[in-house]
Amino acid sequence: DIQMTQSPSSLSASVGDRVTITCRASQSISSYLNWYQQKPGKAPKLLIYAASSLQSGVPSRFSGSGSGTDFTLTISSLQPEDFATYHCQQSYRTPWTFGQGTKVEIK
Amino acid sequence: EVQLVQSGAEVKKPGESLKISCKGSGYIFTSYWIGWVRQMPGKGLEWMGIIYAGDSDTRYSPSFQGQVTISADKSVSTAYLQWSSLKASDTAMYYCARLGSSARHIDYWGQGTLVTVSS
Repeated sequence: DIQMTQSPSSLSASVGDRVTITCRASQSISSYLNWYQQKPGKAPKLLIYAASSLQSGVPSRFSGSGSGTDFTLTISSLQPEDFATYHCQQSYRTPWTFGQGTKVEIK
Repeated sequence: EVQLVQSGAEVKKPGESLKISCKGSGYIFTSYWIGWVRQMPGKGLEWMGIIYAGDSDTRYSPSFQGQVTISADKSVSTAYLQWSSLKASDTAMYYCARLGSSARHIDYWGQGTLVTVSS
């Protein structure tokens, strides 16, 4: 299976901060990388697909980049509703695998 | 509006069987893959497997092959996840999810079904 490793596992940030989360694959996955946001007690929600494509309805402060093994999710200006856990997921090869998640907390 | 509505929470004993459901609406059910994702308490997401609703072609993660059965009934636009003999370690939230048209990402999720297995 392809292993996905996110860093950091958690971070504290303030409203208005620029936040960057990294996801690394154990082998090249081209651009088959997706990002999801999950709030407590809720189902995940798609933010970014194919490494850098913004899902319809998702605010433009979210962006994704990368290819091969290294990927980044950036929130340009953190808003109160962005405090959540973020998951990366590869869809290059089955079984699809997720990172362990990054929890973004209020500083 | 695309919706995936899952069946309600379940409390079962070890060894019992269970089948949970996921009803799709607002789109052509038979044109998309449906997947199942497990989230154990306080843990990350695990991809269990997918089924193409049009012909029931099913793919399992090796970690879940033989442990669960994924099926679909296109006459009622519903996908299922079932266990023949539950274990305490099956306690988790289970999400169904629709794969997008490229079948390379999940674009819609169900609300989740909490399964608790305890003696």
